[in-house]
Amino acid sequence: NAGVTQTPKFRVLKTGQSMTLLCAQDMNHEYMYWYRQDPGMGLRLIHYSVGEGTTAKGEVPDGYNVSRLKKQNFLLGLESAAPSQTSVYFCASRLAGVGSDTQYFGPGTRLTVL
Amino acid sequence: DQQVKQNSPSLSVQEGRISILNCDYTNSMFDYFLWYKKYPAEGPTFLISISSIKDKNEDGRFTVFLNKSAKHLSLHIVPSQPGDSAVYFCAASDSSGTYKYIFGTGTRLKVLA
Repeated sequence: NAGVTQTPKFRVLKTGQSMTLLCAQDMNHEYMYWYRQDPGMGLRLIHYSVGEGTTAKGEVPDGYNVSRLKKQNFLLGLESAAPSQTSVYFCASRLAGVGSDTQYFGPGTRLTVL
Repeated sequence: DQQVKQNSPSLSVQEGRISILNCDYTNSMFDYFLWYKKYPAEGPTFLISISSIKDKNEDGRFTVFLNKSAKHLSLHIVPSQPGDSAVYFCAASDSSGTYKYIFGTGTRLKVLA
């Protein structure tokens, strides 16, 4: 049981390049989330999904797209990377329903955009 | 507009003493609160939570207190240990069905041996 895994762990991009971050969970969780963490800003929600085939915007969705084609995977895409997207990205998942509010986080992806 | 605030960016405490981390929120619809602990280069891990129907929840050395009228919660760690040195985030959610969490900016706790 690996929990929540993220690929890659590190990446350096040039401005304008695109990339996809992969999040995978093996806990059969319905809900999945993408956050970014910046110094002094805490964790900010980018997009989230409450089930396979559904996604919704969080606090800071601009410049990102997501897809949840399979229940266990949640992909975060950057179509044209900008230096402002330099950050550490965390994926999380949890079970559905009230009383299952604990999120389980992945180890993070450190992205630098030059 | 920051709905969850942790006004102390850092805190240093001697080993064996009590650590008190504070969190304030502005949205009265929040009814579930969580504390996460984060070590460098790792993802946050769940520590303890509290529902708005309670004012206290205890788990070993960790206790969370909730004051709904003041929109304030605090995490007490007693006794503090060097391994508790980490960044602590509080988070809040509501039951409106949005499934979202709002996190505070974090407090870096350093426990001095």
